[in-house]
Amino acid sequence: NAGVTQTPKFRVLKTGQSMTLLCAQDMNHEYMYWYRQDPGMGLRLIHYSVGEGTTAKGEVPDGYNVSRLKKQNFLLGLESAAPSQTSVYFCASSYTGQGTEAFFGQGTRLTVV
Amino acid sequence: AQSVTQLDSHVSVSEGTPVLLRCNYSSSYSPSLFWYVQHPNKGLQLLLKYTSAATLVKGINGFEAEFKKSETSFHLTKPSAHMSDAAEYFCVVNSGGGADGLTFGKGTHLIIQP
Repeated sequence: NAGVTQTPKFRVLKTGQSMTLLCAQDMNHEYMYWYRQDPGMGLRLIHYSVGEGTTAKGEVPDGYNVSRLKKQNFLLGLESAAPSQTSVYFCASSYTGQGTEAFFGQGTRLTVV
Repeated sequence: AQSVTQLDSHVSVSEGTPVLLRCNYSSSYSPSLFWYVQHPNKGLQLLLKYTSAATLVKGINGFEAEFKKSETSFHLTKPSAHMSDAAEYFCVVNSGGGADGLTFGKGTHLIIQP
């Protein structure tokens, strides 16, 4: 069982470059999330999706876009990377929105120089 | 609205002694509560969860937590710490779907002294 898989695991970008992070889950979960983790801040929600074709903003959505064209995939895009977006990004999925735990990928460490 | 406060950013214990990581929450609805552990450079792993069944919840690796509604607390404990318990621990509240789905505490870094 692969669970939640994130690609890539590491990336270095120059300011202004764009990139897409891919998250794939094989558990048939409806809900998917993108978080960023910064020291002393815990995990903060960027965007989430409650089903195929739907997306919504979380706590810190600025500078990011997402798409959920297929149920199993949730893409996070950075159109013009900034040093403030240097972080570790985690994707997660859950069966429903309440009461069920979320399953996390291994993270993507992104550095913007 | 919901929120989580982890009362200690760092906790240091000696191997073989008890562990207590404190978590208080606020929620407008009956919440589900979780503890996750993150080892260095790893993803998050579920330790245990409370979903309105028994208030004392047992998890993996000897951890347990007690849900106390009157105190709005969900503290994590372990009777005897092991070196492999050194990690970051997150308390998480979930009161429903959408943007309020999962709210994380800022984490507690557990240090185990030999």
